[in-house]
Amino acid sequence: DIVMTQSPDSLAVSLGERATIDCKSSQSVLYSSNNKNYLAWYQQKPGQPPKLLISWASTRDSGVPDRFSGGGSGTDFTLTISSLQAEDVAVYYCQQYYSNPPTFGGGTRVEIK
Amino acid sequence: QLQLQESGPGLVKPSETLSLTCSVSGGPISSSSYYWGWIRQPPGKGLEWIGNIDYSGGTYYNPSLKSRVTISVDTSKKQFSLKLSSVTAADTAVYYCARHVQTGPYKGYPDYWGQGTLVTVSS
Repeated sequence: DIVMTQSPDSLAVSLGERATIDCKSSQSVLYSSNNKNYLAWYQQKPGQPPKLLISWASTRDSGVPDRFSGGGSGTDFTLTISSLQAEDVAVYYCQQYYSNPPTFGGGTRVEIK
Repeated sequence: QLQLQESGPGLVKPSETLSLTCSVSGGPISSSSYYWGWIRQPPGKGLEWIGNIDYSGGTYYNPSLKSRVTISVDTSKKQFSLKLSSVTAADTAVYYCARHVQTGPYKGYPDYWGQGTLVTVSS
């Protein structure tokens, strides 16, 4: 299985400041034939299911605010919240869907400083 | 708007079989563009993918659970189901059903999730 490692485990950011979460995969999730990274990001608020934010490493899902952006390629990826809002307090997960079984990172908790 | 809703017992005894059903509304279940799957989350922990199924009944299971998992689909009722046998306390978790966008043979990412249902394994 591909192991997904997120860092940090948690971070506290002031309102309006930037939050950056890293995700590393144990092998590349870049499919060379279509040059796509098979990586998604999810946001999970307490008591709610995960919500898809980004697929293909950088494609925002419909309705996701543009302060959320995804980047990276191969084995190293980043989720950035450009200007943290109170409603962004949540746990964020990366997930690879390059190979079965799909696997998730351990999650990063984002809080307000 | 697509909606998924899990249903089933919230308490299962050790060694018995956990059975859950996911009802799909607001969209088709018989689409070749999607798979239908199950994901679980132990209390306070991360996410574990269990398996998925296509509308014709083809399945893929996580090898770590494969010997105990069965996923089935009933397109006439727009439902798919999960059975997990020989459960132990380690199977206590919130179980989510989710639609998966197909990206390859039985591969994909979840885009719509049910609200989840907590299943506790205890005598």
